[in-house]
Amino acid sequence: NAGVMQNPRHLVRRRGQEARLRCSPMKGHSHVYWYRQLPEEGLKFMVYLQKENIIDESGMPKERFSAEFPKEGPSILRIQQVVRGDSAAYFCASSSTGGADTQYFGPGTRLTVL
Amino acid sequence: RKEVEQDPGPFNVPEGATVAFNCTYSNSASQSFFWYRQDCRKEPKLLMSVYSSGNEDGRFTAQLNRASQYISLLIRDSKLSDSATYLCVVKGSGNTPLVFGKGTRLSVIA
Repeated sequence: NAGVMQNPRHLVRRRGQEARLRCSPMKGHSHVYWYRQLPEEGLKFMVYLQKENIIDESGMPKERFSAEFPKEGPSILRIQQVVRGDSAAYFCASSSTGGADTQYFGPGTRLTVL
Repeated sequence: RKEVEQDPGPFNVPEGATVAFNCTYSNSASQSFFWYRQDCRKEPKLLMSVYSSGNEDGRFTAQLNRASQYISLLIRDSKLSDSATYLCVVKGSGNTPLVFGKGTRLSVIA
């Protein structure tokens, strides 16, 4: 049973470009969470999605960031017009249900903005 | 006040030592508590959940004190492979997100 998959593992973008990060949850999981870890910082929640629905986006920056989890295919975190401060590790986690169910993390995407 | 506070360390201990990490959380409505382990440049991995009654998994013991809003992790007989950052994590009820501390770094030295 494959775990949570994220791609790309490393992504380099120049300021002003777009970054697309993909997350495929564990088989059978329909809940996806995105977290960001800035250098030397703890993980911070960004957004929680179920298939085709955003449940909680309280941690998402108001501009340039968006997320989706379509009926088919992976969840995508999209960052438009990236800035140097967006450089971070972006982790996706999935769970089979919401609530207290254990969240399993993917290997992360390391975004570097030049 | 941060939601979850941990001593960042680093804790440098010899093999075989016992080491304890502490964590405090500010939201009294928190319902679930965990310790995760994160190796350098890797994803967090669940080490253990923490219950009010305390729980043990091999060399690892976790305790929760709801009244003091305090969580602890004890590692006995430290191994070199225990070197990592240990993340204290809390969660509210329902579909609320995980809230992470910044982590405590442990280095076990031969």
